[in-house]
Parts: sequence; structure tokens; C-alpha cells
Amino acid sequence: GDSVTQTEGQVALSEEDFLTIHCNYSASGYPTLFWYVQYPGEGPQLLFRASRDKEKGSSRGFEATYDKGTTSFHLRKASVQESDSAVYYCALSEWGNNKLTFGQGTVLSVIP
Amino acid sequence: GGIITQTPKFLIGQEGQKLTLKCQQNFNHDTMYWYRQDSGKGLRLIYYSITENDLQKGDLSEGYDASREKKSSFSLTVTSAQKNEMAVFLCASSLTGGAYTEVFFGKGTRLTVV
Repeated sequence: GDSVTQTEGQVALSEEDFLTIHCNYSASGYPTLFWYVQYPGEGPQLLFRASRDKEKGSSRGFEATYDKGTTSFHLRKASVQESDSAVYYCALSEWGNNKLTFGQGTVLSVIP
Repeated sequence: GGIITQTPKFLIGQEGQKLTLKCQQNFNHDTMYWYRQDSGKGLRLIYYSITENDLQKGDLSEGYDASREKKSSFSLTVTSAQKNEMAVFLCASSLTGGAYTEVFFGKGTRLTVV
């Protein structure tokens, strides 16, 4: 079945540091890839998505590029802020299928 | 916009007890979901429903029942709560539109079993 792997369980950074969270996927078809963010006390919310090879998704300074060759969708941000502290989930959905398959989540803590 | 309301916010149950979690959405979405969230394991799909009275099992359906009474509501029952179980249950909804569709989540019900 489909699966999503996030390498980092927890990331601690200082403000203005560069962020990378690695996401690799396994799917039988050609999935749409998502990044969701969950702030404390809230449900996950969509950060952005991409559905084609080499497509870049972006929002609020975060970005990721769909790479079919390496089956990856790594999240990056050039300069993190304390307000970016949250849990980040990579996810995928296959065509003809309403279900999202999530990675394990990465807890980002940004120290001012 | 819309909102997904989950009740209760916190649920404490006894081992072996049957417990019910409720969810309402006013997006007018066809599809609704229940996910379980455990630290370090991400979100895992328990049940989903693409229309009223429809139920589809997810990867984690054993030990749970679900009911889609009407388009706007979706309930989840823990059939026999397990001692020391702690998790957050997230209800979600979306349009029925394929892989690109955005899923919207509620704030969750936190379950503790003593």
C-alpha cells in the first residue's frame, strides 16, 4: 500500500535558521503530495500541495518540489520564525481515492 | 468558510467501556473521515464515508464502529476502550473530488482510558 516517510521526528532551530524536513513516499500510481501544518490546540491545515513532477508548491515562505525520480517532497524554508513552531505532516492522495496517507509528523521548535 | 465541531473535547473512559465521539460539519461536504493521531505515528485513517449511510474501513478500523446519520454528521464508537490508551481523534471532511481535494480538520477529541 501507499506510505509516507518523514525522516525527522523533531527539529529544533533558532530564528532565521534554514529548515529542511525530508519526505519520501511510496505509491502505486501518480499521487498528489501535500504538506499540512498543525498548531497547538488546532487540527491540521493545508500548507500547500503539488500534483505533477517538478511542480513547486509554496505558502508563507515554505516550499517543496515534487520529485518523481527520487519520490520526494522535501519541505524547506529559508528563515524560520518562532511562529513557525508546529507539527508538520507530509501526505499523499492517489487519484480516484479520497483518502490521505500521512507521514509520522515532524515537531518543529523555533527558539527566539 | 465552514467549521468542523467535535464533541466532547476531552473524554475519559473506563477500560472495556463503549465510548462515542461526535462530529458535525457545515461545509456541506460529502466525504467525512475519522483519523487517530498518536505521537510519532502520524495520522491513521479509521473510517471514512463518501455519502450519507456509506461507510468505508480505513487501516485502523478494528475496535471501532462508525455511523453517518446524515450528511453533516459522523460518529465514531470505541467498542471496548483499552486501559492506558491515550490518543487524539480527528474528524475531517472534504468534497468528493479526487486526489487534489483539500481535507479540513476539526480540533480533535482527546481520549484517556483509565
